[in-house]
Amino acid sequence: NAGVTQTPKFQVLKTGQSMTLQCAQDMNHEYMSWYRQDPGMGLRLIHYSVGAGITDQGEVPNGYNVSRSTTEDFPLRLLSAAPSQTSVYFCASSYSRVEYEQYFGPGTRLTVT
Amino acid sequence: SQQGEEDPQALSIQEGENATMNCSYKTSINNLQWYRQNSGRGLVHLILIRSNEREKHSGRLRVTLDTSKKSSSLLITASRAADTASYFCARGTNAGKSTFGDGTTLTVKP
Repeated sequence: NAGVTQTPKFQVLKTGQSMTLQCAQDMNHEYMSWYRQDPGMGLRLIHYSVGAGITDQGEVPNGYNVSRSTTEDFPLRLLSAAPSQTSVYFCASSYSRVEYEQYFGPGTRLTVT
Repeated sequence: SQQGEEDPQALSIQEGENATMNCSYKTSINNLQWYRQNSGRGLVHLILIRSNEREKHSGRLRVTLDTSKKSSSLLITASRAADTASYFCARGTNAGKSTFGDGTTLTVKP
């Protein structure tokens, strides 16, 4: 199993550009989530999904969209990039939404200039 | 502020010593999880402790949970240089959301 994969590893965007961060898992996990991590800080939840076709907002959803058309994939879309979105983005998945460990991808380091 | 707060922010010890880090939270939880993050990498799950549990062990790791004080601690015994990392607690709710603290940075000197 590859686990949780994320692409790209690094990305530089100009203010106002849009892009999609890809996340895929091959563990048939029901629950997937996106976090951002700013320097010296913990992770903040952006959006999460408890199954295909179901998504919900986390702590910091503004400026981001998600969709979950399949169990495996959970892309994160930045609609109009802003410098405040410069961060490291992590995707995670778990078997269920309650009481199960989360498996994290390696992260995408995004810089918005 | 974050719902899971780790203390101390940074900890530096010698190899062989024990390391203790604490996590406090503000609202009720379903479970509390501890994760490790090596520099520049994703998080790795260490231990999950449920709200009705008081203590769990995994190898050199010991986690306690005191729901009356809304706090948890992670003890790493006989630390090694390879334990150098950031450690995060995450509060898990029935809704399935996990809220992370800002972490404790542990440095173990050889």
